[in-house]
Amino acid sequence: SQTIHQWPATLVQPVGSPLSLECTVEGTSNPNLYWYRQAAGRGLQLLFYSVGIGQISSEVPQNLSASRPQDRQFILSSKKLLLSDSGFYLCAWSGQPRDEQFFGPGTRLTVL
Amino acid sequence: AQSVTQLDSHVSVSEGTPVLLRCNYSSSYSPSLFWYVQHPNKGLQLLLKYTSAATLVKGINGFEAEFKKSETSFHLTKPSAHMSDAAEYFCVVSQSGGGADGLTFGKGTHLIIQP
Repeated sequence: SQTIHQWPATLVQPVGSPLSLECTVEGTSNPNLYWYRQAAGRGLQLLFYSVGIGQISSEVPQNLSASRPQDRQFILSSKKLLLSDSGFYLCAWSGQPRDEQFFGPGTRLTVL
Repeated sequence: AQSVTQLDSHVSVSEGTPVLLRCNYSSSYSPSLFWYVQHPNKGLQLLLKYTSAATLVKGINGFEAEFKKSETSFHLTKPSAHMSDAAEYFCVVSQSGGGADGLTFGKGTHLIIQP
């Protein structure tokens, strides 16, 4: 069966510090991968998606970036965090772009 | 273009009573529709999905939803609420060409269960 992992589970970072969140998927090959952000009391905002290694599409301009160095690994990064980057970050995968997505447990990021 | 509207931001029911979470969608083509549940500080879990087979879809934890094309609705129901059902629920529509990833999420409905 497929599983999706995210780490860390929680993170507290000062403004201006770098960020690296990691997501890995097991039990499937060539998944479509997604990064979402969920601000407090709000819905999901798609940040990035990837259909293959090295292929990243950005949905929202921001100071975040994403990379996919391996087939089942998706990384969300920032060089300098802003207060507005606080939120709950979710990674997801799907078999095809139109299919249902399966979500990881999330990372709670607090920027102080 | 596609869109999804969850008609209630909050729904409160008593334990043991029926649950109704309303969702309307707009889609140019035959859509796929999903309901997800999110418990506090957790990821989203797929409850059920409609993909043009039976219009009444049964999901996990006793939930079901009915696809009504004439009403462009996909309401989520459960006959008897349990305390563990307290969570955020998202209605999602998918269609080819509907966006970068093909999925559009509703803003969510917060379900409160009164003891």
